[in-house]
This record gives sequence, C-alpha cells and structure tokens, in this order.
Amino acid sequence: EADIYQTPRYLVIGTGKKITLECSQTMGHDKMYWYQQDPGMELHLIHYSYGVNSTEKGDLSSESTVSRIRTEHFPLTLESARPSHTSQYLCASSEWTVDVTEAFFGQGTRLTVV
Amino acid sequence: DAKTTQPPSMDCAEGRAANLPCNHSTISGNEYVYWYRQIHSQGPQYIIHGLKNNETNEMASLIITEDRKSSTLILPHATLRDTAVYYCIVRVRGYGGSQGNLIFGKGTKLSVKP
Repeated sequence: EADIYQTPRYLVIGTGKKITLECSQTMGHDKMYWYQQDPGMELHLIHYSYGVNSTEKGDLSSESTVSRIRTEHFPLTLESARPSHTSQYLCASSEWTVDVTEAFFGQGTRLTVV
Repeated sequence: DAKTTQPPSMDCAEGRAANLPCNHSTISGNEYVYWYRQIHSQGPQYIIHGLKNNETNEMASLIITEDRKSSTLILPHATLRDTAVYYCIVRVRGYGGSQGNLIFGKGTKLSVKP
C-alpha cells in the first residue's frame, strides 16, 4: 500500500477563497507531482518537483502554485479560487533515478468552487 | 515522449483473459512502456512496465512486439474488480528536465461483465 496522503479528500469552497491542498509521502521520494483531472477526462500534469526548493510547471498551465520546503511535503495553493478550478487534484511521488520507477498516487482531492 | 494510441473502450467476460492493445509506433530506444489503471477516479495504480522483453508479474503480463511499435497488456483472468481505465504510457529513461514524467492519454475503459 502506497504511503502518500492527500487532505482533504473533498472540499467545497466559495469563490475568492484561498485554499491549500496537502500532499505528504513517507517513502523518502525526491520526485513529486500534481495532476489535475476533470470528470471522465485524462490526467494532466500541472506541477512537479525534483526535491527540496525545486518546482517546475507541467504540461497544463495552472493558476495554482506549489512549494517544496520539506522532502515529504508538496502542498498546492490557489490564491483565489474560481469555479473553473473545480476538478480533482491528484498528488504522486516516485524515486528520482535514471531508470524510471513506479509512481505512487494519493487518493486525490475533489475540489468544488461555488 | 512518444505518443500512444489505445481503443477508447473494451468489454471482457469475467474469468476470461482481457487483452488491451496499445500502439506506440514512434517509440525510441530509450523509452519504456508503462501501464497504469484508474478505478473510479481513485489515484492511478501501477501495473507493469517493460523495455523490449515481455514481462509478467502477479497482476498482468506485458507483451511487446519485436519492433517495439505496439504492446498488449494481458489480465489472465479478469474479475469485476478489474473494471477500470487502463493507461498505456511511454516514458523516457532519464531524469533531466521533464524526463521520467508520466504523461497520461485517454486510456481504455475496460468493463468486465458477469
């Protein structure tokens, strides 16, 4: 069983609010990722990190920001939530090696902005 | 990363083998083929990966053609719990830049029926 946790699992919040989605892993993985997934659609990579103080933008442009102050923690923040941010957000982690390895995913956070 | 093509949906009878095809005709020599699945919009789960040899684990078998332009994921005895979206992903060996990132397509929705 993967040791990667996301909180909250579900969040309903009003427009304009600031929110932070939490993601933590206990596997000591250097590489972490955030994906966004609308219902019935594919996952889109929005952010990733190679380790502490490293953050990169993914393939899908996102108004969210991320930080990596500790290896195990990779929170995602929306400064001012809008209905267009309604989606599922999935966090993942993997080792960072030349030979690709398995990525472990959290259960996701379902965000609804009203 | 090379692009993959999968059928949008497939059905399989419970207890029978499920054979999920994937086309990756532009794959290069340093790219692996990965398979993940996603059940009910939970976080994706790793199934198997391979470079050029066929691979088998407790979940599935991966058959890669000799020219590496296509592959087939085989679930030998499908159960109702195998109903999910299955993603075939080509992933570069390496860890610089965006190498090693998992880029998901639309996948194949497999429905296992009693």
